[in-house]
Amino acid sequence: KQEVTQIPAALSVPEGENLVLNCSFTDSAIYNLQWFRQDPGKGLTSLLLIQSSQREQTSGRLNASLDKSSGRSTLYIAASQPGDSATYLCAVGDNNNDMRFGAGTRLTVKP
Amino acid sequence: ETGVTQTPRHLVMGMTNKKSLKCEQHLGHNAMYWYKQSAKKPLELMFVYNFKEQTENNSVPSRFSPECPNSSHLFLHLHTLQPEDSALYLCASSQERRNGELFFGEGSRLTVL
Repeated sequence: KQEVTQIPAALSVPEGENLVLNCSFTDSAIYNLQWFRQDPGKGLTSLLLIQSSQREQTSGRLNASLDKSSGRSTLYIAASQPGDSATYLCAVGDNNNDMRFGAGTRLTVKP
Repeated sequence: ETGVTQTPRHLVMGMTNKKSLKCEQHLGHNAMYWYKQSAKKPLELMFVYNFKEQTENNSVPSRFSPECPNSSHLFLHLHTLQPEDSALYLCASSQERRNGELFFGEGSRLTVL
């Protein structure tokens, strides 16, 4: 059974800092990996989707990498802003696109 | 309207009530999902529908009953729930079950008294 772990559980940084969020998974036979953002009491917003054949995806200040062999993905956020404060979730998809989620990293960016 | 819309956003019900959650997607997708998000636990997949056919029931108690009348609409019928069923219920869709990015609604916050 696929297990997804996100470390750290919470992170607080000053505005402007570059930061990395980590996601690890136990079964490397994945179909894709998706990073989401969730604001308190809200739904999930898709940030980046990486297919299993890809190594990274970029969108604006966000860059996600995937290393299937080591069972890891990172989400890099450049020049963080207070508006980036949210919980970031990693989800790993199997061949049926059934996504297994991590517990998330709660990010606080202080002005 | 665009995206995935869920109603109601908040629901309070007693243990003997019957209520339904509704999800509608305007993305032309063929797969729809119900997820449960409890406090301090990862999202749990409950049900999957692909082209209106239920393809996954993740050992969900029968007091939760899904319905998918067409590819755009998904319901979750609730009856005789327990307080531990209080959670955020999230609907999602994707192009097909085996393809692509998940898009989520804002969720329905359920409180069972």
